[in-house]
Amino acid sequence: QVQLQESGPGLVKPSQTLSLTCSVSDDSIVIGSFAWSWIRQPAGKGLEWIGRIFTSGYTTYSPSLKNRVTISLDTSKRQFSLKLSSVTAADTAVYFCARTYIFDYRPAYFDSWGQGTLVAVSS
Amino acid sequence: DIQMTQSPSTLAASVGDRVTITCRASQDLNNWLAWYQQKPGKAPKVLIYQASILGSGVPSRFTGSGSETEFTLTISSLQPDDFATYYCQQYGSYSTFGGGTKVEIK
Repeated sequence: QVQLQESGPGLVKPSQTLSLTCSVSDDSIVIGSFAWSWIRQPAGKGLEWIGRIFTSGYTTYSPSLKNRVTISLDTSKRQFSLKLSSVTAADTAVYFCARTYIFDYRPAYFDSWGQGTLVAVSS
Repeated sequence: DIQMTQSPSTLAASVGDRVTITCRASQDLNNWLAWYQQKPGKAPKVLIYQASILGSGVPSRFTGSGSETEFTLTISSLQPDDFATYYCQQYGSYSTFGGGTKVEIK
């Protein structure tokens, strides 16, 4: 059973860049059957997909966030990372990393998740 | 972007009740839809994918159905462990979640 663990600062100042890393417990990070995603959830609200990266390094981002998001992959460390620039209070949320199962050649559902990490944007 | 509209937003039910949650998509999803259960302070857990395929280890009282733009999650006999918030997710184009349905104790 793969485990994912988010890490990074819990507080970021407005206009700065939010940076998080997700550590993956096994070698599924190099298997082409999976992609690797970031999802966030403001307190008391629903889930928002941020973007994903494939083992090839190809990325896809949410249209609403694509101008501010960068996701990268380091298979040697079994990690993938999120950078979100120019943050505001609206970016305050619990951030989850998740493994995306590729079904019928399509990135599909999230079959494993990290526990989530709260990031607050405040001066 | 594909928009997902989930209803109801809140549902009060009793143990043993049959519960139905609906998710409507703004475009034909070709069954590219999953359902999740989330409990407070925890990450979501996948219940159903490809509209009707039961996830690994998920009890058979959970059923997914539907096609094109309308999908349903049914819990045949609500159990105490099922009080939670449920989300649909489309993966036909990028990924989008529904707004969630909180299942509360009546």
